[in-house]
Amino acid sequence: QLQLQESGPGLVKPSETLSLTCTVSGDSIISSSSSFWVWIRQSPGKGLEWIGILYYSGTTYYNPSLKSRVTISGDTSRNQFSLKVTSVTAADTAVYYCARHSYGVGYHWGQGTLVTVSS
Amino acid sequence: DIQMTQSPSTLSASVGDRVTITCRASQSISSWLAWYQQKPGKAPNLLIYKASSLESGVPSRFSGSESGTEFTLTISSLQPDDFATYYCQQYSDYTHTFGQGTKLEIK
Repeated sequence: QLQLQESGPGLVKPSETLSLTCTVSGDSIISSSSSFWVWIRQSPGKGLEWIGILYYSGTTYYNPSLKSRVTISGDTSRNQFSLKVTSVTAADTAVYYCARHSYGVGYHWGQGTLVTVSS
Repeated sequence: DIQMTQSPSTLSASVGDRVTITCRASQSISSWLAWYQQKPGKAPNLLIYKASSLESGVPSRFSGSESGTEFTLTISSLQPDDFATYYCQQYSDYTHTFGQGTKLEIK
């Protein structure tokens, strides 16, 4: 059964780099050509914002509004994928979700983790 | 980028009502559209994928349809557990986008 678990610091200082990891169980981030790995965030009281996607080949695509500050990468040895957001501000305070996108289907989500940007 | 325009933003209804939520894409997305339900403090939950396919375990009172670039989520008879926020999402493009959300409230 698929499980995704986000982990990382809950508090990040302004101008620093936010780093989160998603640990995947029940699927492999590289063995399936029909599973893709995604980060989404939700600011308090707001809607869902798509951050970016990692394909099994290592190819990534990002939200154009965040592209200059975001990197998504995979660690195949640990079956994890990660998110880095540089130069954070209070506007990056959000619940961050990782998810699996199965080809042709929607997303199956982790439980999310709250990251607060504050000094 | 493909924009998704979802309406209404808020919907008040009663148990037993039939409700519809609409999402319009700014360009063709074929049928690559999903609907999610989100309850406070929880992650979104997949209801419908490929515009009209019901996710396993989702009650049959939920259904999806499409007409061109307009997509509809219908709940045939509202149950108390259905009061939540609903989002559409396109996954046709290399970059995916969500609608703004519809909060379904008890009248």
